[in-house]
Amino acid sequence: DAGITQSPRHKVTETGTPVTLRCHQTENHRYMYWYRQDPGHGLRLIHYSYGVKDTDKGEVSDGYSVSRSKTEDFLLTLESATSSQTSVYFCAISESTGGRGNTEAFFGQGTRLTVV
Amino acid sequence: QQQVKQSPQSLIVQKGGISIINCAYENTAFDYFPWYQQFPGKGPALLIAIRPDVSEKKEGRFTISFNKSAKQFSLHIMDSQPGDSATYFCAASINGGGSQGNLIFGKGTKLSVKP
Repeated sequence: DAGITQSPRHKVTETGTPVTLRCHQTENHRYMYWYRQDPGHGLRLIHYSYGVKDTDKGEVSDGYSVSRSKTEDFLLTLESATSSQTSVYFCAISESTGGRGNTEAFFGQGTRLTVV
Repeated sequence: QQQVKQSPQSLIVQKGGISIINCAYENTAFDYFPWYQQFPGKGPALLIAIRPDVSEKKEGRFTISFNKSAKQFSLHIMDSQPGDSATYFCAASINGGGSQGNLIFGKGTKLSVKP
């Protein structure tokens, strides 16, 4: 899995509680992403990072925040979890996002989050 | 607004048959079109990718066909095997880097290959 570790792998939390998911990479790739995967919706981008402390919103960013204080770590925080955030969350990394270089995105194993 | 439309949602194929999954895109600026394969409980993994300067790319039993004028591309799996049973996602992104380079995914096709 291209040196990507997501933690925790499974979590059950209550509505209204804060939750932080961690993505750790050992590939020294510049770009990191958080996606959520839901039945019938495929993979939707939540937030992404193009460097340390450089982040931006994706398609479904409401209710989520991210931080990247080191190249290898990208954290996703749900400030106050809601049932609509029950999903499988995937972290991905890539060396570049365009040009003629390698644009392949490598995905982690996923975190299954259930908000009750 | 969904920029990449994928069909069918599910597909059942007999062993040895050909599996065909189609995708259509709207943004003519897209110029990188990968296909990802995902097994249950795993993250997606790149299967094969194409850029619009070619109309076809083949890797083993997997072929991407690309039709720029129709804004469509498809994945063909020849001699389908039970081990190919997985969910397949098409995606697209824009050359040039930055946020435009982020992958936009289709909604996925669940393929089942019957022995």
